[in-house]
Amino acid sequence: DVKVTQSSRYLVKRTGEKVFLECVQDMDHENMFWYRQDPGLGLRLIYFSYDVKMKEKGDIPEGYSVSREKKERFSLILESASTNQTSMYLCASTWTGIQPQHFGDGTRLSIL
Amino acid sequence: GQQLNQSPQSMFIQEGEDVSMNCTSSSIFNTWLWYKQDPGEGPVLLIALYKAGKLTSNGRLTAQFGITRKDSFLNISASIPSDVGIYFCAGQLTGNQFYFGTGTSLTVIP
Repeated sequence: DVKVTQSSRYLVKRTGEKVFLECVQDMDHENMFWYRQDPGLGLRLIYFSYDVKMKEKGDIPEGYSVSREKKERFSLILESASTNQTSMYLCASTWTGIQPQHFGDGTRLSIL
Repeated sequence: GQQLNQSPQSMFIQEGEDVSMNCTSSSIFNTWLWYKQDPGEGPVLLIALYKAGKLTSNGRLTAQFGITRKDSFLNISASIPSDVGIYFCAGQLTGNQFYFGTGTSLTVIP
């Protein structure tokens, strides 16, 4: 079975902090994604990566950056956390080609 | 980014009833996917549809990839309490282009 693991289920941080969310997949997937999920807005793509050190902006990249130094790990970074970044963050991965995404369990992030 | 039109937004049904939900788009997709999300968890893949017009089953779940490639439906037969959750459709264009519906919230009343 595909396993996508997000490092924290719940996280509470303060405004202005630099926040790191980590995601690891064990299936040698080329593509990895970060989404945020808010009530009524569905899943919105923040960034995705199609290879090591490669990244593409999604629909809402402002205030975020990403890092992919190894194929299995994709990190989301909130450079200076703000309260409007309180949300559920979901990581997903898939192979290249027409293959479905597999999601992690999510990180519920609260910025106080 | 593009969002798919998913309906209904929410459903309240009695245990044992059948459920139907659908997803439409103005775009053509190569794959349709259906996910279920339990509260506080990530979405879990239920069914992947790869061929237009084809019906695919997974236990009590049946889904179809519309012949126009612009729509899909998901049916759940004989609902049970653990079917509660949010169901998402997703259309896939390429290996890294996915578009999601806003979800159907299902409540099953015992």
